[in-house]
Amino acid sequence: DAKTTQPPSMDCAEGRAANLPCNHSTISGNEYVYWYRQIHSQGPQYIIHGLKNNETNEMASLIITEDRKSSTLILPHATLRDTAVYYCIVGYGNKLVFGAGTILRVKS
Amino acid sequence: DSGVTQTPKHLITATGQRVTLRCSPRSGDLSVYWYQQSLDQGLQFLIHYYNGEERAKGNILERFSAQQFPDLHSELNLSSLELGDSALYFCASSVDLRRSYNEQFFGPGTRLTVL
Repeated sequence: DAKTTQPPSMDCAEGRAANLPCNHSTISGNEYVYWYRQIHSQGPQYIIHGLKNNETNEMASLIITEDRKSSTLILPHATLRDTAVYYCIVGYGNKLVFGAGTILRVKS
Repeated sequence: DSGVTQTPKHLITATGQRVTLRCSPRSGDLSVYWYQQSLDQGLQFLIHYYNGEERAKGNILERFSAQQFPDLHSELNLSSLELGDSALYFCASSVDLRRSYNEQFFGPGTRLTVL
């Protein structure tokens, strides 16, 4: 079973930051937080991952709370092409368990 | 483009038949994973191969089998197909089993329709 809790859906205005929350209160000390997204039946796309520290790459930023029980994915300037299902996954090694994710709708 | 290729893109077949789905991982990736995505079940992990060896099994039915060949491509065989096997089948690859984390890169999927 997925070890994360995400809101089922969120809306965001185009050009604004999209902040997607994720709760993972049972995360173990060696487990990573991964974010993937899936745009309309395409293959899921890796976005970012982190262990303890905040991370940033060309796609997004990942903010992990100090107790590691929750995290937020930030898309700094959302575009219409960012409309997708976003999955927050907690795991170690190769095991990824996908939950239902958050449907993010970016609106003009 | 993730670098992972899957063939065919679409497959339509009848109940009771057998099909083979093919996946080529990214260059240099040793691990291949198979996932099934149906409307009512979401993305379900099926099986993981590393450098030709089976490493982990998930919710894979006995009618399904997979293998990874010496050139690292993988095939997922589905037999005695049922209507409920209609789904998107994704392959993913990652670079190294021995790291504590592994980003998986997904292919575009094969859409299987069983009539």
